[in-house]
Amino acid sequence: EDQVTQSPEALRLQEGESSSLNCSYTVSGLRGLFWYRQDPGKGPEFLFTLYSAGEEKEKERLKATLTKKESFLHITAPKPEDSATYLCAVQDYGQNFVFGPGTRLSVLP
Amino acid sequence: DSGVTQTPKHLITATGQRVTLRCSPRSGDLSVYWYQQSLDQGLQFLIQYYNGEERAKGNILERFSAQQFPDLHSELNLSSLELGDSALYFCASSVTTTADTQYFGPGTRLTVL
Repeated sequence: EDQVTQSPEALRLQEGESSSLNCSYTVSGLRGLFWYRQDPGKGPEFLFTLYSAGEEKEKERLKATLTKKESFLHITAPKPEDSATYLCAVQDYGQNFVFGPGTRLSVLP
Repeated sequence: DSGVTQTPKHLITATGQRVTLRCSPRSGDLSVYWYQQSLDQGLQFLIQYYNGEERAKGNILERFSAQQFPDLHSELNLSSLELGDSALYFCASSVTTTADTQYFGPGTRLTVL
C-alpha cells in the first residue's frame, strides 16, 4: 500500500530564514511525486511534479528535489506570503494518488 | 482563480439524505478528479474521469458515485449520508489522463447534521 509521510508537522520561520520540508514515501511504482501549496479554506495549488530520482525543479524561492525514498522542498529566504500548508503526493502506475498530511509553514515578519 | 468551478460552495443536509456536487473543469481539460478532505483523514483521492470514462478509483465508498458528461462537467453523488461524510470536497482537472498538472477548484463544504 502506498504511503506518504511529511515532516515536520508544523514549522515556524523568521522571514529570510531558509529551511527544508521532508516528504517520505513508499509506493509500488512511482509515476510521479507532486508538491502543492494550500491556503486555509482553499483548493491546493500545484507547485511541482518530479518523476525520477535526482530530478530537481525550482520556482521563485522554492526548490524541490527527489530521491528514491523521499523528496525535499527547500525554501530559500521565505517571506510571510509563503505561509501555507505544503502537501506532498505520489501517484503510482495504477493512477492512484496518495497525499501526505502536510506541513504547516508559518513565516513571521 | 484556477478556472475550475464547483457548486454549491456550501451544503448542509441531514443524515440519510442524498446530495449532488457539481464541477466544471478548465476549458480544454479532459480529466476530472474528485477528492475528499477532512480534518482527520487529510486529502483523499476518490475517483478520476477522462473524457467521460472512469479512469482510476481511489478510496471511494460504494455510497458515492460520479460521472462525467459529454460537455465534460462532472457530478459527484453522495447518498445515505453519514456524519462522517462531512468534509471539503474538491474537484481538480488536467489536460491529459495523467495528473502532471492538476488545477483544483475552490471546493464544496458539506456538513451532515
